Amino acid sequence: QQQVKQSPQSLIVQKGGISIINCAYENTAFDYFPWYQQFPGKGPALLIAIRPDVSEKKEGRFTISFNKSAKQFSLHIMDSQPGDSATYFCAARFTSGTYKYIFGTGTRLKVLA
Amino acid sequence: KAGVTQTPRYLIKTRGQQVTLSCSPISGHRSVSWYQQTPGQGLQFLFEYFSETQRNKGNFPGRFSGRQFSNSRSEMNVSTLELGDSALYLCASSPGRGETQYFGPGTRLLVL
Repeated sequence: QQQVKQSPQSLIVQKGGISIINCAYENTAFDYFPWYQQFPGKGPALLIAIRPDVSEKKEGRFTISFNKSAKQFSLHIMDSQPGDSATYFCAARFTSGTYKYIFGTGTRLKVLA
Repeated sequence: KAGVTQTPRYLIKTRGQQVTLSCSPISGHRSVSWYQQTPGQGLQFLFEYFSETQRNKGNFPGRFSGRQFSNSRSEMNVSTLELGDSALYLCASSPGRGETQYFGPGTRLLVL
């Protein structure tokens, strides 16, 4: 199954709160997991990425947690700010004879001031 | 380094027409992938080009085609446009196959 399931579809968080977006996959041929942030009218921008041999990666207020056995990974945005309001996509790279990126369906985050 | 550029940014066409979209990758990037983004379907993979050859293709009809030039620039063409082709078409480039992809701003196509 070349699918990545992303939840929730939308999220509203107060300023200063923690935003958590989850993704799950089934295929063990996925071996690289980037997250993208997309503002209206713009293309997705790479936010942070992780490989499955690492359980956590942090860059500033953004952290990816990775659970290889559960085939789940999540994005945590600490101290969420109104400027973080955007759509977030998780992705997984399928590597089995070829390369292909599969994207989650996106989470629309709104951070209230 | 300049990012991925896509032209045109906006396009309005009518059913039955054809359209060509252009993508210039980041300098030094040799792989270009195309995606269709719609509110209902998210990002759907169209195809990937590397060294002027199509390496991978998504589940789209043959009306969708593309090519890559020797300078890694890529074009995608959609013939016999349908209303359902209205979408944001995104191009992403990477240094090599499978490496991290960097997206352009997209071309928003509206089919009337």
